[in-house]
Amino acid sequence: GAVVSQHPSRVICKSGTSVKIECRSLDFQATTMFWYRQFPKKSLMLMATSNEGSKATYEQGVEKDKFLINHASLTLSTLTVTSAHPEDSSFYICSAARDTSYEQYFGPGTRLTVT
Amino acid sequence: GENVEQHPSTLSVQEGDSAVIKCTYSDSASNYFPWYKQELGKRPQLIIDIRSNVGEKKDQRIAVTLNKTAKHFSLHITETQPEDSAVYFCAANSPRDTGRRALTFGSGTRLQVQP
Repeated sequence: GAVVSQHPSRVICKSGTSVKIECRSLDFQATTMFWYRQFPKKSLMLMATSNEGSKATYEQGVEKDKFLINHASLTLSTLTVTSAHPEDSSFYICSAARDTSYEQYFGPGTRLTVT
Repeated sequence: GENVEQHPSTLSVQEGDSAVIKCTYSDSASNYFPWYKQELGKRPQLIIDIRSNVGEKKDQRIAVTLNKTAKHFSLHITETQPEDSAVYFCAANSPRDTGRRALTFGSGTRLQVQP
């Protein structure tokens, strides 16, 4: 199989604090992981591509200093939302891909609410 | 970069009827076209995909067709059932970007199957 987990599933934080979201590939090694953001009733917007052992590639308009991505191992990537504000409230979903395949396997998502 | 357009945004059919969702893409180098089904609050689930060297692929009630010349691909669901009700996303990859296998998603189609 190809199972991707994400933690936490829901988080509520106060403005100005930071939140870390973890994405793990449980039964395969993922050289590449992707982070998406999804607003209610909208599509998935790619935020960044995370490659193990190297710096993430951010999409245009995504602040790299605000959304810190670390892909320290072949099974774990983390997204840290720094100094969160209410407009950062969203559904964040990660996906992971094997080196030999185009197919992406999605995590269950994290619903972030910033109060 | 890649641009993917998806139509219609909403689709309502009677149980047993067929449903067709269409997408166009802009990058002629794209060679991987997946379709995802997303239920409310859940992760996107891959339901079928097609590579650019194939014109059609079928899996039980689901089929995808690809027209590389016109740069469009379509999802066909036959004998629809109420459990097919969900949001469906098409996507295309961006092979021009070295090392990137990121997907660009369409805007989504909300399919409602009326019993």
